[in-house]
Amino acid sequence: TQLLEQSPQFLSIQEGENLTVYCNSSSVFSSLQWYRQEPGEGPVLLVTVVTGGEVKKLKRLTFQFGDARKDSSLHITAAQPGDTGLYLCAGGKKLVFGKGTKLTVNP
Amino acid sequence: DTAVSQTPKYLVTQMGNDKSIKCEQNLGHDTMYWYKQDSKKFLKIMFSYNNKELIINETVPNRFSPKSPDKAHLNLHINSLELGDSAVYFCASSQDIGDTEAFFGQGTRLTVV
Repeated sequence: TQLLEQSPQFLSIQEGENLTVYCNSSSVFSSLQWYRQEPGEGPVLLVTVVTGGEVKKLKRLTFQFGDARKDSSLHITAAQPGDTGLYLCAGGKKLVFGKGTKLTVNP
Repeated sequence: DTAVSQTPKYLVTQMGNDKSIKCEQNLGHDTMYWYKQDSKKFLKIMFSYNNKELIINETVPNRFSPKSPDKAHLNLHINSLELGDSAVYFCASSQDIGDTEAFFGQGTRLTVV
C-alpha cells in the first residue's frame, strides 16, 4: 500500500511569512496532487505534478516533485490569511491522501 | 451547476439505525469514490467504482454497502449505525482510476447518537 506522510501536521504563522510543507513516501508515484480543503467543504485540487524534478507555480504557491518521484513540497511566499486551510497531498491508483498540514495564517 | 452533489449535508441518527447517503456527478466521469474523514481530518478511502464496477474496497465493515445504479451515481448505505461511524463522508469522482484530478462533493456530516 502506498502511504503519504505530510509534515508538519500543524503550522501557524504571521501574514507575510514564507513557509514550506512536505509530502513524503517510500513509494514511487507516477504523479502527486495537492489539494486545499476549507472548513465545511470538500478538497479542491491545486496542482498535479508528474515529472521528477518538476516545479510548478500558482501565484505565490510553488510546488516541486522530487527527482525520484517519492516526495513533493509546497512553498508559499508571503502567506496571507486567505491561505488558511488544510493542505493535502494525494496520489496513486487508489488516490490515497496524506494526513494533511493544517495551516493558519494570522493577520 | 454543482459538479458532485451529495445529500444530505447533515445527518443525525441513533445507534442501530440504517441510513443512506446519495451522490451524483454531472461531469461524465467514469470513476467515483467514497472517503471518510475523521475528527483528525484524515481522509481515508473506503470504496471506488469504475463504470459501475467495484474496484476498491478498503477493509470497510460490511455494514457499509455502496451501490452504483449508473456511472453518474454512487450511493452509500450504512446498516446498524455505531457511534464510531460519526464522521464526514465525502463522495468524489474522476475521469480515470486514480492518478488524476478528483472532484469532491461538499460532504455529509454524519452524527450517530
